[in-house]
Amino acid sequence: QQQVKQSPQSLIVQKGGISIINCAYENTAFDYFPWYQQFPGKGPALLIAIRPDVSEKKEGRFTISFNKSAKQFSLHIMDSQPGDSATYFCAASSSGGYQKVTFGTGTKLQVIP
Amino acid sequence: NAGVMQNPRHLVRRRGQEARLRCSPMKGHSHVYWYRQLPEEGLKFMVYLQKENIIDESGMPKERFSAEFPKEGPSILRIQQVVRGDSAAYFCASADRGEGNGYTFGSGTRLTVV
Repeated sequence: QQQVKQSPQSLIVQKGGISIINCAYENTAFDYFPWYQQFPGKGPALLIAIRPDVSEKKEGRFTISFNKSAKQFSLHIMDSQPGDSATYFCAASSSGGYQKVTFGTGTKLQVIP
Repeated sequence: NAGVMQNPRHLVRRRGQEARLRCSPMKGHSHVYWYRQLPEEGLKFMVYLQKENIIDESGMPKERFSAEFPKEGPSILRIQQVVRGDSAAYFCASADRGEGNGYTFGSGTRLTVV
């Protein structure tokens, strides 16, 4: 029940294209859904996050779409750039209790020129 | 604000030795989480600590692994009698529960057991 399933495992996108990464969760108690970006040799860094009271959140070229009834959420990277090449993790946590965060398995994105 | 500081960045240990990984949380953060990342895999939760207390150690192997977060000083993840399978990147994250903005991760310690 604590799982967060993420797909695809890897993704290759042309520069200027749209990168889409999907996640699904099971625990209906989850109420905070962050995305993390990790470059090789670095720790994950918070990219963007959403709470279930909204269906979409946009920050620059990054957009989270959230479907509460389907228990799914996705990250869209518009106008993808080579500098976006990294591993992306979706995650989920519940504000009840403490902030343990459950991570998806990651998507390795490569943006080619 | 120096962020979450982890040291050492790289650690090489022979089988059977002890590994001690240190994590200093961000200033003002009293919640520390340790995660392990194997090559080409995601982040696996290990343990959650507040000052002087272990809150959740459900992800920690029962043997050889221990963690502490003393009143003074950094959080320590200790691995006794390391084996090759312990080779991984270990990440520490800290949070201020009141912010609700998720974790801030350190740069990790890459442990190699030879």
